[in-house]
Amino acid sequence: EAGVVQSPRYKIIEKKQPVAFWCNPISGHNTLYWYRQNLGQGPELLIRYENEEAVDDSQLPKDRFSAERLKGVDSTLKIQPAELGDSAVYLCASSVYLLGGTGELFFGEGSRLTVL
Amino acid sequence: AQSVTQLGSHVSVSEGALVLLRCNYSSSVPPYLFWYVQYPNQGLQLLLKYTTGATLVKGINGFEAEFKKSETSFHLTKPSAHMSDAAEYFCGLRGADGLTFGKGTHLIIQP
Repeated sequence: EAGVVQSPRYKIIEKKQPVAFWCNPISGHNTLYWYRQNLGQGPELLIRYENEEAVDDSQLPKDRFSAERLKGVDSTLKIQPAELGDSAVYLCASSVYLLGGTGELFFGEGSRLTVL
Repeated sequence: AQSVTQLGSHVSVSEGALVLLRCNYSSSVPPYLFWYVQYPNQGLQLLLKYTTGATLVKGINGFEAEFKKSETSFHLTKPSAHMSDAAEYFCGLRGADGLTFGKGTHLIIQP
């Protein structure tokens, strides 16, 4: 079974430039998450999708970040314009809904962003 | 609000020694708890999880964890450390919106 696929793995950009990250979740997983992991920290949730709907985006900086999940499968996370503080690893995860919320999250390898 | 605290940002043990990584949680509902491992430049991989039932949970690579409600803890152990165990370990608490993670513990294995 294929895992969560993310691209690009690494991206280096100048500040104020745009950047986009793509995620393909595990087939059949209706829930998709974007996390941001700063150096030396645990992942922090940015946004969660149930199928096509963003059901929790309270931690997404909406002035410069946007996300979409067309057709309830692949997802794209965009930053425009990027700032120095956006340097981090962006992790995508997916899960199947299980009663009681016990389903584990499966993570991709992440996209490491460096803003110069 | 729920939260996870991992005690010790770095833990160093000798190869063959006991590994103990500490995790305490705060939750207003019965918790679902997870341990993940992250190797350099990779994503997070599930080691084990506790949902209900047996409080001692066995995972991959010889790791296990014990859920102690009275202590609000879910510490991760391994009887004998191996060099390949060197990695970052994250404790996670499942909520309605996904996983809330601790800040992680970097495990160093001394030869």
